[in-house]
Amino acid sequence: GNSVTQMEGPVTLSEEAFLTINCTYTATGYPSLFWYVQYPGEGLQLLLKATKADDKGSNKGFEATYRKETTSFHLEKGSVQVSDSAVYFCALTSSGAGSYQLTFGKGTKLSVIP
Amino acid sequence: DTGVSQNPRHKITKRGQNVTFRCDPISEHNRLYWYRQTLGQGPEFLTYFQNEAQLEKSRLLSDRFSAERPKGSFSTLEIQRTEQGDSAMYLCASSLPGPPNYGYTFGSGTRLTVV
Repeated sequence: GNSVTQMEGPVTLSEEAFLTINCTYTATGYPSLFWYVQYPGEGLQLLLKATKADDKGSNKGFEATYRKETTSFHLEKGSVQVSDSAVYFCALTSSGAGSYQLTFGKGTKLSVIP
Repeated sequence: DTGVSQNPRHKITKRGQNVTFRCDPISEHNRLYWYRQTLGQGPEFLTYFQNEAQLEKSRLLSDRFSAERPKGSFSTLEIQRTEQGDSAMYLCASSLPGPPNYGYTFGSGTRLTVV
């Protein structure tokens, strides 16, 4: 079955530091890959996505590249802000039957300190 | 339209009681999903509707759980005879027709605590 593995948190960074959150996946076929963000007390918001190998998703300074050869979709940001403090989830949908289901990783909590 | 709305935001219930949650999706979205998120875990798929038809149910959805979307608009999720293990955040999401890589819009969730 499908699965997503994220680096364990929590991650604490100083403002303007470089961020990497690792994500690897197992899936049949050609999944679509997503990063969702959950701010305290709020629902999940789609941060970025990539639908095929070598695609780069980007939004709000965050980037992730779909690497099929390493089955990875690592999230990066060059300079984090306090407002980026949230829980980040890597997720996928498979390309076959049941492709409407999102499979999530466990999430990585990011805290950015001034 | 202000997004996906879920009510109540919080629910505390005694073990053995029944509870019902409501989800109002974005009006033009014909697909609706329920997920469950326990502490420290990512959301897990429960069930999926396309219009009023329930097309898929996860093995997580035991016989005590039932979901409906009677007119293809809002949906309800009922849990009968609640157990402490049912304590979780219940998330609703909706989407337009089309490939799943369009992404979903999630509500803020209903947090259930069974005491």
